[in-house]
Amino acid sequence: KAGVTQTPRYLIKTRGQQVTLSCSPISGHRSVSWYQQTPGQGLQFLFEYFSETQRNKGNFPGRFSGRQFSNSRSEMNVSTLELGDSALYLCASSLGGSRTQRGAYEQYFGPGTRLTVT
Amino acid sequence: EDQVTQSPEALRLQEGESSSLNCSYTVSGLRGLFWYRQDPGKGPEFLFTLYSAGEEKEKERLKATLTKKESFLHITAPKPEDSATYLCAVQAWNNDMRFGAGTRLTVKP
Repeated sequence: KAGVTQTPRYLIKTRGQQVTLSCSPISGHRSVSWYQQTPGQGLQFLFEYFSETQRNKGNFPGRFSGRQFSNSRSEMNVSTLELGDSALYLCASSLGGSRTQRGAYEQYFGPGTRLTVT
Repeated sequence: EDQVTQSPEALRLQEGESSSLNCSYTVSGLRGLFWYRQDPGKGPEFLFTLYSAGEEKEKERLKATLTKKESFLHITAPKPEDSATYLCAVQAWNNDMRFGAGTRLTVKP
């Protein structure tokens, strides 16, 4: 079974630009979560999508947005990039089933997109 | 507010020297506690999920345990290939997911 894939793997942008990152989850997984990882802040939760709806959201400004398509693939967009947005952006997929279904929330991560803002 | 604290920040072991990593947490209703391994430049790799106090899971040289306030990841007779950062995460019933800062483990041959 193929794992979570993310594209592109590396990206260099300048301040003020916008960027779109893509994530393809494991086949059969309906939940996709996005995280930002930096040396200073560690792994921070951005948002989660389930069945094309944002189900949960972290504490990030509105410049960070996302969406999920009917095939569960997800995109994340960052507008008006700032230097502090330089980070490894990770996508994780899970089954995302019912509250009582054990294993439904085990997240499997992709390799990440390394974004550098200059 | 939900919190996850991992200790120590860094741990250096000799090959074969067993030890434990700690993950202390406070959460308003625990859905699950997760352990991950992360190698430099890669995404975290799923290791274990623990759901309730008293639960234990094992995989090769790793064993994870859970109490109501903390989890331990025991590493028995580690090898150099076990060197990585180990991350702990807790998920609350409202789906909030919070990660600890990680423990960077180095195993010297």
